[in-house]
Amino acid sequence: GAVVSQHPSRVICKSGTSVKIECRSLDFQATTMFWYRQFPKQSLMLMATSNEGSKATYEQGVEKDKFLINHASLTLSTLTVTSAHPEDSSFYICSARGFGYGYTFGSGTRLTVV
Amino acid sequence: KNEVEQSPQNLTAQEGEFITINCSYSVGISALHWLQQHPGGGIVSLFMLSSGKKKHGRLIATINIQEKHSSLHITASHPRDSAVYICAALSKGNQFYFGTGTSLTVIP
Repeated sequence: GAVVSQHPSRVICKSGTSVKIECRSLDFQATTMFWYRQFPKQSLMLMATSNEGSKATYEQGVEKDKFLINHASLTLSTLTVTSAHPEDSSFYICSARGFGYGYTFGSGTRLTVV
Repeated sequence: KNEVEQSPQNLTAQEGEFITINCSYSVGISALHWLQQHPGGGIVSLFMLSSGKKKHGRLIATINIQEKHSSLHITASHPRDSAVYICAALSKGNQFYFGTGTSLTVIP
């Protein structure tokens, strides 16, 4: 079955630094990748949608300069949280979709900014 | 009002019990997904339904399109079933609407 690998699973960083999260589709080509954020006890919230080779489409209220998304290949998308602050601490999860494949979720990344 | 409502929010069961989690949605859908989120956070897709019923092992998912309602059943529950179960409605515009999840704890 389709597998999406997300790394790192946990990261702690200092306030003001940037953090990169990777999402890879291991056995299929992901034409579209989705990035979600989840606060404790809440639903997943869509942050942005990226199509390979195109600029990401951000949801209302999500700062595109803060959350940089790159989808340079059909198997890799990255989310970079720039100049992270404690309020960016959250659980980030990606999902990928490809031709003939449904939606497959990554295992998520727990970001803690100290 | 959320587009997807789940009940109950929290559920504690004894090992072996039959469990039902309910999901109601208000959007027009192309499919309804049931997801399992483990304590570490990783999400696994359990079912994708557009009609009827699906079964995988001890898990059964049903959907009634006319009533906009889906249920997830777990037979002979086990402590390893303890997780958060999320109902996600995929709209016809390919947008996901997620429920807030049902936290299940199965006690030995």
